[in-house]
Amino acid sequence: DAGVTQSPTHLIKTRGQHVTLRCSPISGHKSVSWYQQVLGQGPQFIFQYYEKEERGRGNFPDRFSARQFPNYSSELNVNALLLGDSALYLCASSLEGDTEAFFGQGTRLTVV
Amino acid sequence: AQSVSQHNHHVILSEAASLELGCNYSYGGTVNLFWYVQYPGQHLQLLLKYFSGDPLVKGIKGFEAEFIKSKFSFNLRKPSVQWSDTAEYFCAVNGHGNQFYFGTGTSLTVIP
Repeated sequence: DAGVTQSPTHLIKTRGQHVTLRCSPISGHKSVSWYQQVLGQGPQFIFQYYEKEERGRGNFPDRFSARQFPNYSSELNVNALLLGDSALYLCASSLEGDTEAFFGQGTRLTVV
Repeated sequence: AQSVSQHNHHVILSEAASLELGCNYSYGGTVNLFWYVQYPGQHLQLLLKYFSGDPLVKGIKGFEAEFIKSKFSFNLRKPSVQWSDTAEYFCAVNGHGNQFYFGTGTSLTVIP
């Protein structure tokens, strides 16, 4: 069984650039959430999407945006990258009505 | 606002020692409580979860946790740790919309 898959696994960007991270949920899962994990901290909630609609948003600036596609995959976009955006970005998927989330291995973003 | 506090940032134990990791949460409604583990180089994995009922929950690999509502706590325990338990442990709460709020994590090192 394929778990949650994220691409790319590693990425290096320059300050001011834009980045797109991708996530494919477990088959049958319609809910996708994004988290940012800064080194030494726990994951912080960024977005949740269900059936292509935003269900929740964490305390992140408007430079962060996301969307979900008809096949339930999702993209996280970050504009005008800052050094502080360097982190592991995690995607999680879940079934509607199920409170357990399954996490991908993440995309390690380094902003230089 | 939701928050999760983990008191132990770094714990070092010898094999066969007992483990207890503290977790306190703050949340304004009904909560679901979780412990996730992140082994080196791997994705977040669910250890155990509490939704309702028996406040003592058992998870994988011999871990258990006790929910004490009056103390807003959900401490993780294991009677005898193994070298393979070396990992990062995260306590989390899950409220509205299946959005997770994590603690800062506890790094556990088990010495053979």
